Amino acid sequence: DSGVTQTPKHLITATGQRVTLRCSPRSGDLSVYWYQQSLDQGLQFLIQYYNGEERAKGNILERFSAQQFPDLHSELNLSSLELGDSALYFCASSEGLAGLSEQFFGPGTRLTVL
Amino acid sequence: AQSVAQPEDQVNVAEGNPLTVKCTYSVSGNPYLFWYVQYPNRGLQFLLKYITGDNLVKGSYGFEAEFNKSQTSFHLKKPSALVSDSALYFCAVIVAGYSSASKIIFGSGTRLSIRP
Repeated sequence: DSGVTQTPKHLITATGQRVTLRCSPRSGDLSVYWYQQSLDQGLQFLIQYYNGEERAKGNILERFSAQQFPDLHSELNLSSLELGDSALYFCASSEGLAGLSEQFFGPGTRLTVL
Repeated sequence: AQSVAQPEDQVNVAEGNPLTVKCTYSVSGNPYLFWYVQYPNRGLQFLLKYITGDNLVKGSYGFEAEFNKSQTSFHLKKPSALVSDSALYFCAVIVAGYSSASKIIFGSGTRLSIRP
């Protein structure tokens, strides 16, 4: 158990809809990262938050947004969903900002868009 | 452009034999390199990292990796493979920002299969 929790485990929705994925980092970790894992794109870094502020952006679509709350949990919002958004979404956390410490990954949320 | 390559989609090894999972990188500046493992239906788990110092890095579960600057490689190795090592392995590189936020780039992954 990494100490990182993600809800829900599975999510099935329709195209055009909006969903919210939730992540609680490991106790004491200030950085939260979001990743998308799909068969065709592999593992893609989406975005990083550190202590409530956005700090790094990867291949995140404009239809996607995230935030980190004062209690350090984070939410990833996916809107106007398309079939191609079906993937496994991981959250990870780490102690520092720079990403040089190991990241602890949650079990993921499997999103299926029908 | 910054990139990480894992040239083998799959590596098959007999139990007890040594294994190597290859990784090469292309970054400007100092590379910070990681290996993660993913078991079925699980998130990634950290194995080891190279930040600076000794080129041979030892990690979890008996794995080690050698940083080779001239060949821009960071191959993962284990002297004697176990069936339980069968999993998906990812190499990753952190780009930029030792003290500021930085981006992580993952390789495409290598599926390691250990046969009894």
